[in-house]
Amino acid sequence: GAGVSQTPSNKVTEKGKYVELRCDPISGHTALYWYRQSLGQGPEFLIYFQGTGAADDSGLPNDRFFAVRPEGSVSTLKIQRTERGDSAVYLCASSLSGGRETQYFGPGTRLLVL
Amino acid sequence: KQEVTQIPAALSVPEGENLVLNCSFTDSAIYNLQWFRQDPGKGLTSLLLIQSSQREQTSGRLNASLDKSSGRSTLYIAASQPGDSATYLCAVSPSYGQNFVFGPGTRLSVLP
Repeated sequence: GAGVSQTPSNKVTEKGKYVELRCDPISGHTALYWYRQSLGQGPEFLIYFQGTGAADDSGLPNDRFFAVRPEGSVSTLKIQRTERGDSAVYLCASSLSGGRETQYFGPGTRLLVL
Repeated sequence: KQEVTQIPAALSVPEGENLVLNCSFTDSAIYNLQWFRQDPGKGLTSLLLIQSSQREQTSGRLNASLDKSSGRSTLYIAASQPGDSATYLCAVSPSYGQNFVFGPGTRLSVLP
């Protein structure tokens, strides 16, 4: 498809485990964003990539969270030593050049930490 | 720190009504403002994007206005339909950063 895709759609893990969430942006989009959305709230910014580099990671809550985009396309959000409070929907978005233009969102990964 | 609020939190109207959703932000130094729609269990769909220099944008039955100096935006939906039922989120992009700051959303139900 032509949209942003995210895998897995759902992830259940145990407290203390490591998880990886994947995002495939729209082809040709250089900007990629990760957000986290808790129930009943709007998305909360985590990190923004321009190409391969993290241009703004000020939203990452702590050093258990890390994201990479090694080839400037697919991105992986990595969470170490998961905690119950990490349970949320993790959304990925991409835009053509990152100039604060329209962002196109994926369906999200619903993470549940037991 | 930019904060975005939306009123009402939830709204239920009969089909055919015109309605207004409100968004307020605390820091008027924004680059643009965007309205999104989110259906249950799905991602966000962009509806309208208003640049800070613009006053309004229109798309079909939707009209969004922006009053940057007072920190407010409204989304007007004309002749509402059951298919409009969703959560509507507004988000502002600060003039100094790349990310959007989102409001909590307004959950709209349009009853047939």
